Amino acid sequence: DAGVIQSPRHEVTEMGQEVTLRCKPISGHNSLFWYRQTMMRGLELLIYFNNNVPIDDSGMPEDRFSAKMPNASFSTLKIQPSEPRDSAVYFCASRTGNTYEQYFGPGTRLTVT
Amino acid sequence: GDSVTQMEGPVTLSEEAFLTINCTYTATGYPSLFWYVQYPGEGLQLLLKATKADDKGSNKGFEATYRKETTSFHLEKGSVQVSDSAVYFCALSDLGGNQFYFGTGTSLTVIP
Repeated sequence: DAGVIQSPRHEVTEMGQEVTLRCKPISGHNSLFWYRQTMMRGLELLIYFNNNVPIDDSGMPEDRFSAKMPNASFSTLKIQPSEPRDSAVYFCASRTGNTYEQYFGPGTRLTVT
Repeated sequence: GDSVTQMEGPVTLSEEAFLTINCTYTATGYPSLFWYVQYPGEGLQLLLKATKADDKGSNKGFEATYRKETTSFHLEKGSVQVSDSAVYFCALSDLGGNQFYFGTGTSLTVIP
């Protein structure tokens, strides 16, 4: 079982650039979550999908953030344009419909300079 | 709305000491409760869970009991090891599984 896969693991970019984070959920899982973790704000839910459909995006900080899930095995989180305050670790997690626990990927550490 | 409150850290213990990390919750209905652990540089891993009142979740020597009367799910371990050093998160999922709430995390350092 490969677990949740995220890429890249580290991303360093300059302010104003577009950033795309990628996630492959565990095969067979039908819900996918994007989180952001910072020292100041802890772990924040940004958006979650159920069967590839966005269910709750109330945590997306602003219009610069967008997320897509074109199929059951792939999702992206895009930030455009990026700002230094977006620097954080971004986690993707997935879950089956039968249980409530989520399985997390290793995260992408984003640094915006 | 639903929420989780967990004990502030950081917590520093000597090896073989007893560990308790407090977690209380607020929820309508009957949530499922979880403890996750995050080792340095890694994602969160499910440590244990309980889905109904009086259930006890256990794993790797850690235990937590779902107490409906006190709305608590405290994490305990009888004898901690240096390898238990990590951040521990209490979490709640509502009955439908549509909402998931994490506590702020408690950092544990175990010294030899």
